[in-house]
Amino acid sequence: QKEVEQNSGPLSVPEGAIASLNCTYSDRGSQSFFWYRQYSGKSPELIMFIYSNGDKEDGRFTAQLNKASQYVSLLIRDSQPSDSATYLCAVKTSYDKVIFGPGTSLSVIP
Amino acid sequence: EAQVTQNPRYLITVTGKKLTVTCSQNMNHEYMSWYRQDPGLGLRQIYYSMNVEVTDKGDVPEGYKVSRKEKRNFPLILESPSPNQTSLYFCASRYTGDGPGTEAFFGQGTRLTVV
Repeated sequence: QKEVEQNSGPLSVPEGAIASLNCTYSDRGSQSFFWYRQYSGKSPELIMFIYSNGDKEDGRFTAQLNKASQYVSLLIRDSQPSDSATYLCAVKTSYDKVIFGPGTSLSVIP
Repeated sequence: EAQVTQNPRYLITVTGKKLTVTCSQNMNHEYMSWYRQDPGLGLRQIYYSMNVEVTDKGDVPEGYKVSRKEKRNFPLILESPSPNQTSLYFCASRYTGDGPGTEAFFGQGTRLTVV
């Protein structure tokens, strides 16, 4: 089992819709979880950090964490064409290593 | 401004010619790492450093060297580059531990082509 897995893409949504990105992880002792956005050829940039079970909202972005199910998700409301990018889930494991998932490519269709 | 600075941004070199990609951060982060990113393979860690003079192999260390003589700098050395090291490279730094403020900051990337 891979340490961090993400739903396979590419994911296409119409403009204004909700995009849902999912991530599962294997290390049950993981405490910190990150979502990064990466445009083609550019460096990853942090868009959300979540540490506690439940939901965390920041503008159009909501991160959801369920440690019992070892699952973290990212919802993007009112998706815009500028949200088209690859989204990387990253998990800080119990041995202080950050593992990145393979990424999910999102395309928002005008 | 908090940042991680990589140089050069683009590099074309020939097989076997030693090269160094520099990385510097101004956030006093303990942890620094190098990744390569190839289509379909995601970010793969090459080497990392938990602090000065402490380095360790990541998932794909073959053909690379690193050093950490100062806290802010973490150069990546390719002593004899080969075409299979053609890739997009990222340096990253962060604080150790858990909680807010421990996210990784990435450099701008170095696109390396070995011919």
